[in-house]
Parts: sequence; structure tokens; C-alpha cells
Amino acid sequence: QSALTQPPSVSGSPGQSVTISCTGTSSDVGGYNRVSWYQQPPGTAPRLMIYEVSNRPSGVPHRFSGSKSGNTASLTISGLEAEDEADYYCFSYRSNTDWVFGGGTKLTVL
Amino acid sequence: QVQLQQSGPGLVKPSQTLSLTCDISGDSVSSNSAAWNWIRQSPSRGLEWLGRTFYRSNWYYDYAVSVKSRISINPDTSKNQFSLQLNSVTPEDTAVYYCVRDAAIGLDTLDVWGQGTKVTVSS
Repeated sequence: QSALTQPPSVSGSPGQSVTISCTGTSSDVGGYNRVSWYQQPPGTAPRLMIYEVSNRPSGVPHRFSGSKSGNTASLTISGLEAEDEADYYCFSYRSNTDWVFGGGTKLTVL
Repeated sequence: QVQLQQSGPGLVKPSQTLSLTCDISGDSVSSNSAAWNWIRQSPSRGLEWLGRTFYRSNWYYDYAVSVKSRISINPDTSKNQFSLQLNSVTPEDTAVYYCVRDAAIGLDTLDVWGQGTKVTVSS
């Protein structure tokens, strides 16, 4: 089962916006509004940032937003801060009661 | 505040069984809304969802296709914990293993993670 496709790395300067893409198929990302995003700083467990494509759990800054078009979901971080530097993973439901992660994207804040 | 505390060996021999336990505090393994997952992470395979159990008047289990023939996730209501057993392990099963709660605040909301257990499969 192939992972969802994410760019290996993205970067931006403080205050800028960055977008991380997550591409799947009609059997996962495109077929369901069940994409979530996780932030993982080095040496820590992942943290839920977005669920159901665009919903933010309480405590997650409004700078984080999610969207989806066709088979591609996106996470946008506005007003980049140094503390946003981490790995980011998308996660989607896939048909037949299965779930799949993206390969991960390393965000560097310049 | 919900916390998950993992325990289990960090070294397992090839062909043997990997066994990990996750103790739950602040929630119940028998919750009618939450689900209890195992996820692993390795440099070669990235993050990989392995399976879950949940209670909705009966116990239910879902397993990833990639490990379905080798995996078992079991709740223990008397100890408020759940466990992972992965049989016939190979070096490919070397990874950091996490127990994770899906809080069901929405769909697929993996909101609480254990501390992770690094498991190495080696003779």
C-alpha cells in the first residue's frame, strides 16, 4: 500500500506563508473528507493540527489551515514562526477500513 | 488530562512475537466514543497505521492489510489498557511504536500519543 505523496521539504522565512501538499487517489484523499495533518518536532510524538480536511482542534493556532481539491489536500501555515519548524504528515482514510500516512515534509523556517 | 504510558521490550529476536502494552489514564478503553490505535514509525517506512480496537456495545478490531495476518490488538478492561502483538517479526518491523487515542472529536482525530517505544528486531 503506497503512502500519500508529499514534498520532502519546504521552507519559508518568518512571517511568510507556506503550503504543503498531499496527493493520493480517489480511493483515499479524493474519496473522503477524512484528511488530517500532524506536526512532529524532532524527538517528539506527532501532534494533531487539522482534521476532516479543514477543522482545527482547540489549541491549534488559526495560522494553520487545511483544504482539499480533487485527490490533493493541502496544509497552509500563515505568518510562519520559528516554532513551526518540524516534520508534517498527512493522514487519510482509505477504503476497506484502512488508513494511510503521507511520506512527510520537513519544514524549515529560514 | 488523558495520558498513554507504553511498556514492553526494546529488543525482539527475528521470528518471535513483539508485545507492547499501553496503559490509559484519564479515559477508558471501553469508551463509547474513542478508538485505540497502534502506529509505528521507521526511517524506511515512515509512519504506518497498524490497527485499532474500539467498543460500541461490542468490541471491534481493524487491522492494516500489510500486517493483518500477524497482528492482534487486545483491550484489557480490568487494567484499562490495550496491547499489541505482532507475530513472526523480521528486521523490517524495527521501528518506534506508538499507542494513540482517536478521540472522535471528529473523524480520525489522533489526539493523544504515547511516548513511543523503540523496538529493534535483531538476533
